[in-house]
Amino acid sequence: AQTVTQSQPEMSVQEAETVTLSCTYDTSENNYYLFWYKQPPSRQMILVIRQEAYKQQNATENRFSVNFQKAAKSFSLKISDSQLGDTAMYFCAFMRSGGGADGLTFGKGTHLIIQP
Amino acid sequence: DTGVSQNPRHKITKRGQNVTFRCDPISEHNRLYWYRQTLGQGPEFLTYFQNEAQLEKSRLLSDRFSAERPKGSFSTLEIQRTEQGDSAMYLCASRPAGGGAYGYTFGSGTRLTVV
Repeated sequence: AQTVTQSQPEMSVQEAETVTLSCTYDTSENNYYLFWYKQPPSRQMILVIRQEAYKQQNATENRFSVNFQKAAKSFSLKISDSQLGDTAMYFCAFMRSGGGADGLTFGKGTHLIIQP
Repeated sequence: DTGVSQNPRHKITKRGQNVTFRCDPISEHNRLYWYRQTLGQGPEFLTYFQNEAQLEKSRLLSDRFSAERPKGSFSTLEIQRTEQGDSAMYLCASRPAGGGAYGYTFGSGTRLTVV
């Protein structure tokens, strides 16, 4: 079974600052996918960024980038030039390769607050 | 494409009653998932459909929980004899065939309160 750990229950930064959210995971699988999802208050979960484990290059999506360390089983999310609209719960998630029949395994989430 | 639709958005029920939630996935997505999210936790996987076939149901929380996806389109999640511990957000997600790194599209959820 896989586990995902997010050790930061809450983080708060000033607008325009850079913030890094931590995520570690445990698995015996070699092929898998990792995701960061954003869940604004009372709104649906939105995919922020995804990473294939077989790719060494870290994924980047505009202001969002990851630091994927496969050997250390670490998958942190960096948000640059943070904006008020980034305020939300952020969940790290794991999915085994091979069809996804067992769904996503989520961490407990980090509540990110962007202060004006 | 109107996204994943879930109804109702909120449901308040008395303990012991049965409830049913509906999920309409994105039309071209053949894979459908149900999750439960309790306060302060990440979503917890419950069950999975590929088309009309329920390929994973061992993670349903008890035999009071059941799900269907007739004709491989919309899905329903039913909870019988609700208990206060069933109070949570129930999320539906869909994903296209082809798998890989395609992310899931989530609905806005149904918030269940059992009183």
